[in-house]
Amino acid sequence: GQQVMQIPQYQHVQEGEDFTTYCNSSTTLSNIQWYKQRPGGHPVFLIQLVKSGEVKKQKRLTFQFGEAKKNSSLHITATQTTDVGTYFCAGADYKLSFGAGTTVTVRA
Amino acid sequence: DVKVTQSSRYLVKRTGEKVFLECVQDMDHENMFWYRQDPGLGLRLIYFSYDVKMKEKGDIPEGYSVSREKKERFSLILESASTNQTSMYLCASSSHREWGYTFGSGTRLTVV
Repeated sequence: GQQVMQIPQYQHVQEGEDFTTYCNSSTTLSNIQWYKQRPGGHPVFLIQLVKSGEVKKQKRLTFQFGEAKKNSSLHITATQTTDVGTYFCAGADYKLSFGAGTTVTVRA
Repeated sequence: DVKVTQSSRYLVKRTGEKVFLECVQDMDHENMFWYRQDPGLGLRLIYFSYDVKMKEKGDIPEGYSVSREKKERFSLILESASTNQTSMYLCASSSHREWGYTFGSGTRLTVV
C-alpha cells in the first residue's frame, strides 16, 4: 500500500533561522496536503498541491510538489515561536496517508 | 466554519469493554474518517466512509468497526477494548474525497 515518509522527525531551530521538512511517497499522488498541529491541538489543514512542480507560498512558508508527484517539501523562513508544532504531509491516492510528522521546536 | 465534534475529550475504559466514539459534522460533508495518532507513528487511518451506510477499511482496521447511519454522524466502535488501543482518536470530514480534511479535537482514550 501507499506509504508516506517524512524527514526529519524533529527539527530544533534557532529563532530567525530557516528550515525545510521533506516528504516522500512510495506511489504517485493525485495531490499532497500539509497540516499543522499545535501542541495539545488537532491537525489543521494548511495547503494542497495538485500540479507537478507546483510551488505555493503562505507568508514565510513555501510548499513545493515534485515533478514526479511523489515528493514534497515545506520550507519556513525566519522561524518564529508561533511556528512551533508538528507539520504533517499527507498524500492523496483515493484516501489520505499521513507521514509521521516533523516536530518543530524553536529556541528564542 | 466547518465543525467536527467528537463526543468526549478524555475517556477511560476497562479492558474488554465495548467502546463507542462519536463524531458529528455540521457541513453536510459526504466523507468522514477515523484516525488514531500515536507518538512517532503519525496519523493512521482506521476506517473511512465516502457515503451514508458505506464504509471502507483503512490501514489498521483490526479490532475496530464503524457505523454511518446518517450523513453527519460517523461512529467508531471498539468491540472489546484492549490496552494497545490506548491512543488519541481523531475524526475528520471533507467535502471531496481527496481534499483538505477538517479534524475534530480528538478523544484521548485510555484502556486500563
